[in-house]
Amino acid sequence: EIVLTQSPGTLSLSPGERATLSCRASQTVSSSYLAWYQQRPGQAPRLLIYGASTRATGIPDRFSGSASGTDFSLTISGLEPEDFAVYYCQQYGGSPLTFGGGTKVEIK
Amino acid sequence: QVQVVQSGAEVKKPGASVKVSCKASGYTFTDYSVHWVRQAPGQRFEWMGWIRGDNGHTKYSQNFQGRVTLTRDTSASTAYMELSSLRSEDTALYYCAKNPTGTGYYDFWGQGTLVTVSS
Repeated sequence: EIVLTQSPGTLSLSPGERATLSCRASQTVSSSYLAWYQQRPGQAPRLLIYGASTRATGIPDRFSGSASGTDFSLTISGLEPEDFAVYYCQQYGGSPLTFGGGTKVEIK
Repeated sequence: QVQVVQSGAEVKKPGASVKVSCKASGYTFTDYSVHWVRQAPGQRFEWMGWIRGDNGHTKYSQNFQGRVTLTRDTSASTAYMELSSLRSEDTALYYCAKNPTGTGYYDFWGQGTLVTVSS
């Protein structure tokens, strides 16, 4: 099973700042089959990125994803008030599909 | 627009079964698969399995093999997840998620169904 480790657990930033979230896989994720989701309190997760770097439909371009080996990153170039939420990575290159433990982006 | 609406919260006793429904609208049900994922309190999301909308083929996580059954009714654009032999550790929020067939990511999620297992 591929274990995904997200860091940091919590990121305290101000609106307008840049956020960089990390997701490290315990082994190679084939074909960069990694997705990022945003979850606001009381809501279902929302797809942001798939294929490590492809933005989902309707996702603003301030969200970007990248990959380097077993390390994946989600960057939010300038935080908007609605971006303060929990973010999860998920790999779908191996079975079972697995998720990271999440990074909470909170207002500083 | 795409909507995925799940059935309401359930309270079950240990050893019982639960069946959660997931009704889709706004897209062609048979063009996609439906995955089921759960999140227990303080735990990570846990993938349970998937069902193809077109042919009903299923794949289950080994963690739930033998206890979970996924079905679908194409005429109602609805998928179902039945979990048997419930125990307290199965208390969780259960989600269905729309999945472009052949991929493993979820482009739309249901609102979640809370299943509580308690004696």
